[in-house]
Amino acid sequence: SQQGEEDPQALSIQEGENATMNCSYKTSINNLQWYRQNSGRGLVHLILIRSNEREKHSGRLRVTLDTSKKSSSLLITASRAADTASYFCATDLGGAQKLVFGQGTRLTINP
Amino acid sequence: DTGVSQNPRHKITKRGQNVTFRCDPISEHNRLYWYRQTLGQGPEFLTYFQNEAQLEKSRLLSDRFSAERPKGSFSTLEIQRTEQGDSAMYLCASSLNGGNTEAFFGQGTRLTVV
Repeated sequence: SQQGEEDPQALSIQEGENATMNCSYKTSINNLQWYRQNSGRGLVHLILIRSNEREKHSGRLRVTLDTSKKSSSLLITASRAADTASYFCATDLGGAQKLVFGQGTRLTINP
Repeated sequence: DTGVSQNPRHKITKRGQNVTFRCDPISEHNRLYWYRQTLGQGPEFLTYFQNEAQLEKSRLLSDRFSAERPKGSFSTLEIQRTEQGDSAMYLCASSLNGGNTEAFFGQGTRLTVV
């Protein structure tokens, strides 16, 4: 079964708007990572946030983590057509030595 | 270093045939992972190596699947007697040892069993 659940499953917005995707998980984590995947391609690592961190930024990306609610969010500001992709959260359970992925959010940026 | 490399990128095979995929990780990474991804789903963990030792296998990895990493560098994933249900994208990733390290993925091998 999947550890992480992304919400929404699909999101369509206009270029220039902000996009927010959420991820919930079930058990304690060591860290949480966000990945992007263009259609039919491999996954590109975006950002890693540790369990003792609450917020991280990378360019137009902002990730928050709330361990009390077991949830994370990914905000993409000033979206571009090139941001069209699927976005996955993955949780590192520490001792489990592997990343467990959710089903992803399909983001479409309309020009 | 150009990242994680997987070959072939695409493989079409007839049901019942054996297939083998190769993954070359980032050179200094001692952890290597295999994942499988079907359409519309997130990647599912199959197995992982630390150096040449295979430390964990998912129950998804039936006895028709075998993975090796003989010298702690590249890895191969073999599927014997392929079935149509094996059609998927097979992804390889590598990372450094230790906690809180990013895993970097290859472009994947898309397998189609006809």
